[in-house]
Amino acid sequence: GAGVSQSPSNKVTEKGKDVELRCDPISGHTALYWYRQRLGQGLEFLIYFQGNSAPDKSGLPSDRFSAERTGESVSTLTIQRTQQEDSAVYLCASSIRTGGANEQYFGPGTRLTVT
Amino acid sequence: GQSLEQPSEVTAVEGAIVQINCTYQTSGFYGLSWYQQHDGGAPTFLSYNALDGLEETGRFSSFLSRSDSYGYLLLQELQMKDSASYFCAVSGVGGFKTIFGAGTRLFVKA
Repeated sequence: GAGVSQSPSNKVTEKGKDVELRCDPISGHTALYWYRQRLGQGLEFLIYFQGNSAPDKSGLPSDRFSAERTGESVSTLTIQRTQQEDSAVYLCASSIRTGGANEQYFGPGTRLTVT
Repeated sequence: GQSLEQPSEVTAVEGAIVQINCTYQTSGFYGLSWYQQHDGGAPTFLSYNALDGLEETGRFSSFLSRSDSYGYLLLQELQMKDSASYFCAVSGVGGFKTIFGAGTRLFVKA
């Protein structure tokens, strides 16, 4: 079946503009994760959804970041008033369940460049 | 705080065995996972340890010792295609967070 998809694959935006990143998880996966990966670095946890509920938003870097999820499907990550330090690859992953051996399936990511 | 430490780089010869270590300062997690990421690609799941001991999946094995706050990934019969970054991660932190290490870049030489 289809894997996790993300769009756009690349986004170049000017500082101060808002951007919206989209993630389509694997059908039936209740858990969805957003991560940020700066060049040559590890994955930074941003937010987790169980269904359409996000029990902990403390990983979001600032109040310019927000995310939502519709049911157990599409999720969007919105960054308002983008800054150059927001430049990174934003990865989405989904999992059939939380905790345990929650093998996460990653999408190809959105490479965001803020000029 | 919660953190995982991995070596930044490891170099090994094709056909050899290599061990990538991961030490952590995290409590209350479900298990330790390992992911592989090729340049420009997405991370892919390799293995998971919920309990102490060794888990084997083909050429890859992973080990966890909660008492030592330590785990490792063992790659056997190295192939050139194994050249990639390898990340350890603890899952279920606080119930649902996954915390990743900074990654170990593995170079496999002929």
